Amino acid sequence: GAVVSQHPSRVICKSGTSVKIECRSLDFQATTMFWYRQFPKQSLMLMATSNEGSKATYEQGVEKDKFLINHASLTLSTLTVTSAHPEDSSFYICSAPETGALDVDIFGSGTQLSVL
Amino acid sequence: QKEVEQDPGPLSVPEGAIVSLNCTYSNSAFQYFMWYRQYSRKGPELLMYTYSSGNKEDGRFTAQVDKSSKYISLFIRDSQPSDSATYLCAMSPSGGYNKLIFGAGTRLAVHP
Repeated sequence: GAVVSQHPSRVICKSGTSVKIECRSLDFQATTMFWYRQFPKQSLMLMATSNEGSKATYEQGVEKDKFLINHASLTLSTLTVTSAHPEDSSFYICSAPETGALDVDIFGSGTQLSVL
Repeated sequence: QKEVEQDPGPLSVPEGAIVSLNCTYSNSAFQYFMWYRQYSRKGPELLMYTYSSGNKEDGRFTAQVDKSSKYISLFIRDSQPSDSATYLCAMSPSGGYNKLIFGAGTRLAVHP
């Protein structure tokens, strides 16, 4: 079935470093991917929409220079948190619409980022 | 007012109980309605998917959509401790590439 593979599942980094999170669609093509952020006991907050071959669309209040998104192919989108700070510590999740038989969003397993 | 309202709970029930989870919404353009289950520190997992109004049943789960009242429900029969998770309702005006609007999520605890 349609799966979105997200890596890494957990990352700990020092303040000021950059972290890259990858999401790959397996068994289907994802021309669009959504990136979410989730704080403890809160719902998912959409950060940006990435589109294959074009610039990502960011939600209001999300710094595009801090959260770099690249959608290089029909199966891969990456989110890079640049110059990470402790306040960037959060759970990051991607999703991709499976527009075939299911026509629903398939979510990755999430990445827990901890910035020291 | 949020587009989608969902009581965050927590909701605690004994094993075997029937659980009722609900969301209300304000945007009449919503046509697709979903329920996701999320375990702690995991990605959401699609449970139920409904288009427009009506009921849908899958095993112990039943989803209901009442568009006239802008109200959706998820029922869990014979609840199990393994059902303990956060349940998120989500909706969109169409399938495919439209952004999902999520509720806050309801935390459910089923105790033996």
